[in-house]
Amino acid sequence: EDQVTQSPEALRLQEGESSSLNCSYTVSGLRGLFWYRQDPGKGPEFLFTLYSAGEEKEKERLKATLTKKESFLHITAPKPEDSATYLCAVLGNQFYFGTGTSLTVIP
Amino acid sequence: GAVVSQHPSRVICKSGTSVKIECRSLDFQATTMFWYRQFPKQSLMLMATSNEGSKATYEQGVEKDKFLINHASLTLSTLTVTSAHPEDSSFYICSASAFGVAGNQPQHFGDGTRLSIL
Repeated sequence: EDQVTQSPEALRLQEGESSSLNCSYTVSGLRGLFWYRQDPGKGPEFLFTLYSAGEEKEKERLKATLTKKESFLHITAPKPEDSATYLCAVLGNQFYFGTGTSLTVIP
Repeated sequence: GAVVSQHPSRVICKSGTSVKIECRSLDFQATTMFWYRQFPKQSLMLMATSNEGSKATYEQGVEKDKFLINHASLTLSTLTVTSAHPEDSSFYICSASAFGVAGNQPQHFGDGTRLSIL
């Protein structure tokens, strides 16, 4: 059965404390893995697409990596404005979304 | 690029009213559009998927006669909540994707519509 699992559910970090969010997946015929950021009361904002194992993408303090079983979203020296819910989605024969990781960065 | 506009952002109306929400892809052709519902502090719940020119495919438990979806063009989809009741109050979010064309494109989301039924 195709599925996506994100961990942890919630994460509290001190400003500047680097960490990683995990997205584990099982899907037949992965066509893409996508990371989104969602702020309260807003729709998810697209961050990255990863297509194959070994691929990496970076944007400011965020770096996404992909293996054959999971993806990591690394946050380096986070700031309070990085606080949000981060969603992972995979595309096989359809889209599957994880339930997200709620990140809080404390000043 | 890949901008999706959703309108209105907030609706407050009386019970029994029908409400239409529009979702437009502004700078790309969306072969597929999705409609989601999101409850507070919960993840996205897919309601239906629509391909341009075809009838929408509804997820189990979603009443297709209550939530009417039209996807008449490659840039516009609408969700009409018919005879809305307080239990329909929620945050509705649309997304659009060209994945049917290229096979691997992400969904791009609108900013959502907060629907409140009095």
